[in-house]
Amino acid sequence: AQSVAQPEDQVNVAEGNPLTVKCTYSVSGNPYLFWYVQYPNRGLQFLLKYITGDNLVKGSYGFEAEFNKSQTSFHLKKPSALVSDSALYFCAVRDDNYGQNFVFGPGTRLSVLP
Amino acid sequence: NAGVTQTPKFQVLKTGQSMTLQCAQDMNHNSMYWYRQDPGMGLRLIYYSASEGTTDKGEVPNGYNVSRLNKREFSLRLESAAPSQTSVYFCASSGRDVFLQYFGPGTRLTVT
Repeated sequence: AQSVAQPEDQVNVAEGNPLTVKCTYSVSGNPYLFWYVQYPNRGLQFLLKYITGDNLVKGSYGFEAEFNKSQTSFHLKKPSALVSDSALYFCAVRDDNYGQNFVFGPGTRLSVLP
Repeated sequence: NAGVTQTPKFQVLKTGQSMTLQCAQDMNHNSMYWYRQDPGMGLRLIYYSASEGTTDKGEVPNGYNVSRLNKREFSLRLESAAPSQTSVYFCASSGRDVFLQYFGPGTRLTVT
């Protein structure tokens, strides 16, 4: 079975500082990994994905994530946080053994303080 | 393009009532999905449709039925609503890049 863990319910960071939102996963086959962001009262928006290739993937709004197969992690990072980055972030995985069944983590609320 | 639209935005039902949540996309996408979002649990897949005419169960299908009416529309039906189905429901679609899902704005459903 596939699963996703986001060990932090909440991450607080000062504006201008680097941010990291953590994600670990478990799959039986090859993982396809994703990050989505949700602003209040809105649907989810795609940020970035790892399918294959370079372990460091770059996405929207200056976000990037690093795939680490040995640690089964896919942490989201940004060098300099903005107040407008405050939102709920979801990590998701799709196992290539399970068709189009996406599994989402519980979400991490990011607060960027001015 | 409107993207993915959902109706209604809000709904309150009594236990045992039925209703259908509607979803439509105008991006000519093949795949469509229904999720529910509960606090602290992220999104859980209820059903998905990889193409017109096909549907498959996700993680939490019990108590729900779906219909892929045509390529544009994918509806979710609650035959006999229960308080445990109180949630926010999201519809999503994906096209040629099946890994990129576009989400609708959600339907907030309360069952009393």
